[in-house]
Order: sequence, then C-alpha cells, then structure tokens
Amino acid sequence: GENVEQHPSTLSVQEGDSAVIKCTYSDSASNYFPWYKQELGKRPQLIIDIRSNVGEKKDQRIAVTLNKTAKHFSLHITETQPEDSAVYFCAATQGGGIVTGTASKLTFGTGTRLQVTL
Amino acid sequence: DGGITQSPKYLFRKEGQNVTLSCEQNLNHDAMYWYRQDPGQGLRLIYYSQIVNDFQKGDIAEGYSVSREKKESFPLTVTSAQKNPTAFYLCASQLPYKNTEAFFGQGTRLTVV
Repeated sequence: GENVEQHPSTLSVQEGDSAVIKCTYSDSASNYFPWYKQELGKRPQLIIDIRSNVGEKKDQRIAVTLNKTAKHFSLHITETQPEDSAVYFCAATQGGGIVTGTASKLTFGTGTRLQVTL
Repeated sequence: DGGITQSPKYLFRKEGQNVTLSCEQNLNHDAMYWYRQDPGQGLRLIYYSQIVNDFQKGDIAEGYSVSREKKESFPLTVTSAQKNPTAFYLCASQLPYKNTEAFFGQGTRLTVV
C-alpha cells in the first residue's frame, strides 16, 4: 500500500520567515496530494491541495510543489505568522476514479508541528 | 461547520468493555473514514466505506468493527480485542471517485480506565 513520509517532525521559525515541510510517497498511482492543518484541540482542515497533472499551486502565502518523478511534494509557507502555528499533515491518495470504481483512500504523513515565534 | 458530527467528545471505557463511537454527516457524502491519531504517528486509517452496506479494512483494523447501514452514519466499535485503545479518533467524509476534500469531525478522545 501507499506509504507517506513527512519531515521534519517539528519546525520552529521566527515570525516573517519561511517554513518548508517535505513529504515523499511510494505509490506512483497516487494522484491527489492534500495538506491539512490541525490547530490544538481542533479537527484537521484542508489548506491546499495539488493534483498530479500540476507541478505547483499557490494560494496567498501558501504554496505546494509536486515532483512526480521523485515522488515528493512540499508545502511552503512564506511570511509566517503566529496563527500559522499548528500541526500540518500531508496526504496522498491511492486509486480513486470512476473507471476503477474505487474511492480515494487518504494516507497521511506523521505530521509536522510548526511553531512560529515572535 | 463541515456538517460532520462525532459524539461523544470524551469517552471513558473500562478494560474488557466494548464501546461505540458515533459519526454522522449531512453532506450527502458516500465515502466515510475512521482514523486513529496518536502522538507522533499521524493519522492511521482504521476502516473506510465507499457506499452503504460496504466497508473495507484500513491499515489498523484489528480490534475494531464498523457498520454502514445508512449513508449518513458510520459508527465505530472499539472492542475488547483492541489492546491499546486510548487515542484520539477522527471520522471523515468525502465525495468518492473525485479526489476532493475530506471533511473531519471534531474527534472523540477515548481513554481506558
């Protein structure tokens, strides 16, 4: 099955600096890569996603890049703010599609705890 | 806020007892999932269901059981066979086949006493 590795497990940056979180996946059939943010005591929520037909996607201060050949994707947060402090999870889906008749099965990385200091 | 509700928020279980966690969604999603969250181990898939009356084992299904009798509901039973059940459990739902956003419930924290 799919295996997703995520690094680093913890990351501390100063406010205004950039943060980068990296993930690798094992199944070349995976074609959807979302990123979730989980604040303390709350549910994970989607912040950005990318599909395998795109190499990069940006949404304000957040960007995600995908390298299908190397099977890795990364989350970039620029101009970090204290409210960016949270645990971030990457994920990859195996299968999924009307043709295959299978649902997407999200496999998550182990998470990165980001701390933005003043 | 997402339309997916888990209950209860906190649950205590004595050793040897079965306990059922509730998950209900009004998003009209066909796919539903149960994840277990432990510190430093991310989200691990327990069971998932693509459609009513159908479900598949995830990566850590041993000691758990589910049912999917209604589209809106996907309850998880933690049985006495689960040796280390203390964890945070998250339910999620998603439109199947389209690789779209999964919406999570607020979670249930289960503690064995």
